[in-house]
Amino acid sequence: RKEVEQDPGPFNVPEGATVAFNCTYSNSASQSFFWYRQDCRKEPKLLMSVYSSGNEDGRFTAQLNRASQYISLLIRDSKLSDSATYLCVLGTIINFGNEKLTFGTGTRLTIIP
Amino acid sequence: NAGVTQTPKFRVLKTGQSMTLLCAQDMNHEYMYWYRQDPGMGLRLIHYSVGEGTTAKGEVPDGYNVSRLKKQNFLLGLESAAPSQTSVYFCASRRHGGQETQYFGPGTRLLVL
Repeated sequence: RKEVEQDPGPFNVPEGATVAFNCTYSNSASQSFFWYRQDCRKEPKLLMSVYSSGNEDGRFTAQLNRASQYISLLIRDSKLSDSATYLCVLGTIINFGNEKLTFGTGTRLTIIP
Repeated sequence: NAGVTQTPKFRVLKTGQSMTLLCAQDMNHEYMYWYRQDPGMGLRLIHYSVGEGTTAKGEVPDGYNVSRLKKQNFLLGLESAAPSQTSVYFCASRRHGGQETQYFGPGTRLLVL
């Protein structure tokens, strides 16, 4: 079983719609959780960290359920510029205060005009 | 402030050839990482460094060597390239401490024939 499981998509949704992605993970020792965004042929960039209480950043809302080992990302009022691959990422402290990131394979989103 | 830069951007090698990928960061980050990204798989950690003069193995270190002679540079070497090393290579850096973001370079596309 993969450490991080994501639905690869693609998700094709109309502009203005709300879209939700889910991610499950198997390593209960993970301490940090993130959503990264990766545009085609570009590097991953941090979209937002995910906290146990849930957190929001503009149109983006992230939720974490540690008991079910489940992370979600909700995008409201989707824009054309939201088209990208969204990576679910876990952080685990390894040593020297260093953190190992484990990446999901990503969910591809295309916003249709 | 260029962030994380990688050279070259693209390279074609023949099986058995050697090459070095260079990563440079100007953010004075302690930690640096090399990942590879292959279709259908998440980014996988090859090697990492917690400081100048120190390196450690990640998930998929075989066939690669690394060096960190200066804090700002992290080199990834392929001594004898194989077709299985065809991939996109990303370098990242991070400050010491919890909840710190990893910043990625733009990637190097490597094709081994």
